[in-house]
Amino acid sequence: AQTVTQSQPEMSVQEAETVTLSCTYDTSESDYYLFWYKQPPSRQMILVIRQEAYKQQNATENRFSVNFQKAAKSFSLKISDSQLGDAAMYFCAYRSPGNFGNEKLTFGTGTRLTIIP
Amino acid sequence: NAGVMQNPRHLVRRRGQEARLRCSPMKGHSHVYWYRQLPEEGLKFMVYLQKENIIDESGMPKERFSAEFPKEGPSILRIQQVVRGDSAAYFCASSPLTGPYGYTFGSGTRLTVV
Repeated sequence: AQTVTQSQPEMSVQEAETVTLSCTYDTSESDYYLFWYKQPPSRQMILVIRQEAYKQQNATENRFSVNFQKAAKSFSLKISDSQLGDAAMYFCAYRSPGNFGNEKLTFGTGTRLTIIP
Repeated sequence: NAGVMQNPRHLVRRRGQEARLRCSPMKGHSHVYWYRQLPEEGLKFMVYLQKENIIDESGMPKERFSAEFPKEGPSILRIQQVVRGDSAAYFCASSPLTGPYGYTFGSGTRLTVV
């Protein structure tokens, strides 16, 4: 079974600075998908960024980028120019490629990000 | 194009009562997933359904919990004889098909058992 580990329960960063959230995972599969979700106090789960394992290029979405190290099974999220609206819980998630009905997401325990004005 | 709609947003039940949580997937989505989030924890998979079929229920407790996704109407997560430990946020997500898509999540139903 796949597992996802987020070793930083809490992180804080000064507004406008850069912060990196860590995520490691364990799997025997060669093809899979990885995601970062944001959960603000409203509780809504918002997809931040996704990465296909077969792509070597790191995904980027505006101020959000990932450092995907497949051999190390590491998938960190970098937030540049942090803004107050980035304050939230961030969850890393793993998904199998989708054959045979096993498309569920496996989540890490989350990192609470605080932005310091 | 409305997102994934869950209702109610908040639900309070006394111990022993039944809780029914509803989820309407995004238009065009035929795959529904239910997740449970206990306080200060990540989301845990419960069940994956397609129309009229349960595909994977490996995360569902063996007793008191059931889920359905009928041909017409929303998906329903039903919890019978609720206990205090069932208090949690229950999220529904939908997707159109398999592939590199992240799901679209609803806003969740917070169940409180008193």
